[in-house]
Amino acid sequence: GAVVSQHPSWVICKSGTSVKIECRSLDFQATTMFWYRQFPKQSLMLMATSNEGSKATYEQGVEKDKFLINHASLTLSTLTVTSAHPEDSSFYICSARRDQWEENEQFFGPGTRLTVL
Amino acid sequence: GQQVMQIPQYQHVQEGEDFTTYCNSSTTLSNIQWYKQRPGGHPVFLIQLVKSGEVKKQKRLTFQFGEAKKNSSLHITATQTTDVGTYFCAGQPPGDSWGKLQFGAGTQVVVTP
Repeated sequence: GAVVSQHPSWVICKSGTSVKIECRSLDFQATTMFWYRQFPKQSLMLMATSNEGSKATYEQGVEKDKFLINHASLTLSTLTVTSAHPEDSSFYICSARRDQWEENEQFFGPGTRLTVL
Repeated sequence: GQQVMQIPQYQHVQEGEDFTTYCNSSTTLSNIQWYKQRPGGHPVFLIQLVKSGEVKKQKRLTFQFGEAKKNSSLHITATQTTDVGTYFCAGQPPGDSWGKLQFGAGTQVVVTP
């Protein structure tokens, strides 16, 4: 149990276009999901906390209008990179916490590799 | 803001040897978690430490949480090739109700047979 999927696994787009990434908890409900960026051989940088039914909470330095987050249901959060530019190229990875469990562990999706040309 | 530092960044280990990775936070933590990310994979939860001075063991892995709840360590004994990967510590700040984590830079472990 506790599987998180991400779609797409990779995407290549032209500069100026928008890209949507989906994060789904397949076998559990997740009121709270998190979005991270990971550069090659580096750590995970928390971008935002996604909460079902309310606005996402963004970390300092992350542009809200650039990275749109929608947590429309208890199993789905989406991240839209708007007007993408080459500097947005990165590995985006989401995670989810299980509802109604005391543990705090996060279950990670497999990640999405975004390349902006 | 809170910063979590982790050393060493790289660890080259001979199979059978022991090694330790260290994690330090600039502020007191509510809890600390450890994750392992295999090459090409995603982070997988290993353990959570909550209490001051807590020590937990998982087979060859020993995790410690400092008395001040600002530092932690992971010690692996008799390293095996299956231990290859990057080990991240991640701290949760006090008062955070969402379970938000601040990840350390990670220790990339390479094991030679």
